[in-house]
Amino acid sequence: DAKTTQPPSMDCAEGRAANLPCNHSTISGNEYVYWYRQIHSQGPQYIIHGLKNNETNEMASLIITEDRKSSTLILPHATLRDTAVYYCIVRVRAGAGGTSYGKLTFGQGTILTVHP
Amino acid sequence: KAGVTQTPRYLIKTRGQQVTLSCSPISGHRSVSWYQQTPGQGLQFLFEYFSETQRNKGNFPGRFSGRQFSNSRSEMNVSTLELGDSALYLCASSLVLGVRNTEAFFGQGTRLTVV
Repeated sequence: DAKTTQPPSMDCAEGRAANLPCNHSTISGNEYVYWYRQIHSQGPQYIIHGLKNNETNEMASLIITEDRKSSTLILPHATLRDTAVYYCIVRVRAGAGGTSYGKLTFGQGTILTVHP
Repeated sequence: KAGVTQTPRYLIKTRGQQVTLSCSPISGHRSVSWYQQTPGQGLQFLFEYFSETQRNKGNFPGRFSGRQFSNSRSEMNVSTLELGDSALYLCASSLVLGVRNTEAFFGQGTRLTVV
């Protein structure tokens, strides 16, 4: 699976948009970008994933650049409860030559702190 | 719909002992993965089970083992515990559609302390 690079920490004011970048310059054509977050002492929580098109769900938006070498997770109106470690993961889609199936390779992630 | 359930939530064991952790996946999910989280190494993949078979394994010693039952529930076992095995052990379940896993849903974890 391709490696990802994320800033170690970011701050955001409550109510403002939080934009979390992720670099995955070695991503392959059959790899998806996944985002998870982990609130202190809890299990990671799935947020969103995408292949090449921008994606949006009730939690966040995912913007993937045209060359797919980087992406941005956007939390449109951050709240204090969004304070967490955010992980960007690139994962091969099983059945397309990969054998990772359910395996997720976590990096160090970005610690997002939302301030009042 | 109930989430992923891990038991026990907290455990204290003595060095040299063995421990068994349990994971009940979301109903209908047949893939179960295990992860170890420590402050120094972060989240690391242990192994994954599907249809009672181990499909993938991380880089951990043979003291770490697991199994999956016909109802998709999974257990992991750590034998001859070492102080360094103190960690949060997380279980995740996912659907398998064809050969592709959907997103993984994690449990709250079991906090193991080895003294």
